[in-house]
Amino acid sequence: KQEVTQIPAALSVPEGENLVLNCSFTDSAIYNLQWFRQDPGKGLTSLLLIQSSQREQTSGRLNASLDKSSGRSTLYIAASQPGDSATYLCARHNYGQNFVFGPGTRLSVLP
Amino acid sequence: GAVVSQHPSWVICKSGTSVKIECRSLDFQATTMFWYRQFPKQSLMLMATSNEGSKATYEQGVEKDKFLINHASLTLSTLTVTSAHPEDSSFYICSARGSVYAYEQYFGPGTRLTVT
Repeated sequence: KQEVTQIPAALSVPEGENLVLNCSFTDSAIYNLQWFRQDPGKGLTSLLLIQSSQREQTSGRLNASLDKSSGRSTLYIAASQPGDSATYLCARHNYGQNFVFGPGTRLSVLP
Repeated sequence: GAVVSQHPSWVICKSGTSVKIECRSLDFQATTMFWYRQFPKQSLMLMATSNEGSKATYEQGVEKDKFLINHASLTLSTLTVTSAHPEDSSFYICSARGSVYAYEQYFGPGTRLTVT
């Protein structure tokens, strides 16, 4: 069974802190690993997509890494801001197959 | 970028009635569309996969007679919740993929269904 887990389930930090969100998956033969942001009651916003052959992707204050051998991906957020408060979901998918989502990490950045 | 819309964004219906949710790919042709359900504070769970012109493939535990999916064109898929019950209240999100060889899915904004 394909499984994706995320820790922590929830995180509260003061503004300005750097933080790391973790995502683990059981199948190392993944094709892509994607990080999404979801605001309350809203759909998904794609943040970063790491293809299986890649090790990391960066966009602004966000950096995502992928280690297939250990079955882990991390999302690093630098200099967090209150506007970063949301639920962060990671999802893995193999070629031609469906996305399997993790349960998410609910992030609160306090001003 | 590819855009997927959903309509309505929220709907309230009475128990026992049916409600239809539309998912449209606005600027690309979607050979495959996916329907997900998300309960409060939980992650997205895939309900079914539909390919244009074919019957949908439902995930284990999803009642195909209750959740009717139609993917009649390359830009539109519909999910009809029949004889809705309060336990069907959830957030429904669709996504679309441009071709069978594509790996990217584009997600709609979601539809909040409340059954009273």
